[in-house]
Amino acid sequence: EAGVAQSPRYKIIEKRQSVAFWCNPISGHATLYWYQQILGQGPKLLIQFQNNGVVDDSQLPKDRFSAERLKGVDSTLKIQPAKLEDSAVYLCASSISLGGNTIYFGEGSWLTVV
Amino acid sequence: AQTVTQSQPEMSVQEAETVTLSCTYDTSENNYYLFWYKQPPSRQMILVIRQEAYKQQNATENRFSVNFQKAAKSFSLKISDSQLGDTAMYFCAVGLGNDYKLSFGAGTTVTVRA
Repeated sequence: EAGVAQSPRYKIIEKRQSVAFWCNPISGHATLYWYQQILGQGPKLLIQFQNNGVVDDSQLPKDRFSAERLKGVDSTLKIQPAKLEDSAVYLCASSISLGGNTIYFGEGSWLTVV
Repeated sequence: AQTVTQSQPEMSVQEAETVTLSCTYDTSENNYYLFWYKQPPSRQMILVIRQEAYKQQNATENRFSVNFQKAAKSFSLKISDSQLGDTAMYFCAVGLGNDYKLSFGAGTTVTVRA
């Protein structure tokens, strides 16, 4: 079974530029998550989707971050304009549905803002 | 919101010996799940073990076992017969049963010495 796929794996951009990350969850998984992990910290949830609807985006900095999952399968996370403090690993994860199922993570997309 | 505390930033253990990682959490919910994830330098989060809060029996997965003390809100991980491949960052996480968002601790770096 294929895991959660993410791209690109690494990205270096200058501040005020934009960047987009793509995630393809495990086939059949209705729930998709984006986490931000700053070096030395645990992951922090940015947004959670159930199919193509948003369950929780309370921690998403909406002035610069956006995310979509239009067809309920793959998802894109965008940052525009980027700030130095956005340097982090962006982890995508998925689970079959809500309520106790195991959450599987991708390998992450490393972002460095210079 | 849930808070998860891992009070040990770093742990070192000799190969073949046992190490125990501590985790405490705070939630007002009754329906929740507890997890330990391993994160090697590649940054992919790998599920080590999970525990349903309604189960009294401690979960075991090969060399990994937990000591779940619900009243004390404590969830420690024991790694027995440590192997060099166990070297990684370990994160404790809590997920609520209804909306199932994971809240992570800050992590414990485990180094297994040859």
